[in-house]
Amino acid sequence: DAGITQSPRHKVTETGTPVTLRCHQTENHRYMYWYRQDPGHGLRLIHYSYGVKDTDKGEVSDGYSVSRSKTEDFLLTLESATSSQTSVYFCAISDSLAGGINNEQFFGPGTRLTVL
Amino acid sequence: GNSVTQMEGPVTLSEEAFLTINCTYTATGYPSLFWYVQYPGEGLQLLLKATKADDKGSNKGFEATYRKETTSFHLEKGSVQVSDSAVYFCALSEGGGFKTIFGAGTRLFVKA
Repeated sequence: DAGITQSPRHKVTETGTPVTLRCHQTENHRYMYWYRQDPGHGLRLIHYSYGVKDTDKGEVSDGYSVSRSKTEDFLLTLESATSSQTSVYFCAISDSLAGGINNEQFFGPGTRLTVL
Repeated sequence: GNSVTQMEGPVTLSEEAFLTINCTYTATGYPSLFWYVQYPGEGLQLLLKATKADDKGSNKGFEATYRKETTSFHLEKGSVQVSDSAVYFCALSEGGGFKTIFGAGTRLFVKA
């Protein structure tokens, strides 16, 4: 199994509070992703990173920010949590191959966030 | 833009029944296609993949063939087991790119 951990695994918070989720990898993979999973929507990309300090927005980035100061860590921050951000959040990683990109992704175990 | 459409669930089958989960895609180029599986309480894991037209991906008795003419990548298994109960996601990644687009997922229940 790819070495990906997420913390916390469960969190309950109140509307308006800031929340930071952490993804940590031991695979030295270049690319890291944050998704949210909601019933009927599958996985939707929030933000992704293609290297240290290199990040970009996904399809549902409003209300979220990210940072990647080291290869192994990718942080997702909800600046002011809202009830619509109640979801299960997954981190994923992928890597490059010589001559191309290996677009197979490896997923962490997820963080269940509830915003009251 | 690129998209993936898969059949809605849940799909409920008896053990040893034949499984098909339909998946079609829209893409501008030549994507790689994937099936991921998510067991209860876990993250997604790759089940199989195909990188070009007419390729067949297979793993754990599951198969899917990349059909460019019908833009499809249907998942099949000849005899399902209770342990196959999970959510299955079809996905695509544009050739040379690193972002993946996922379908909505199909939940499979297998009864003993």
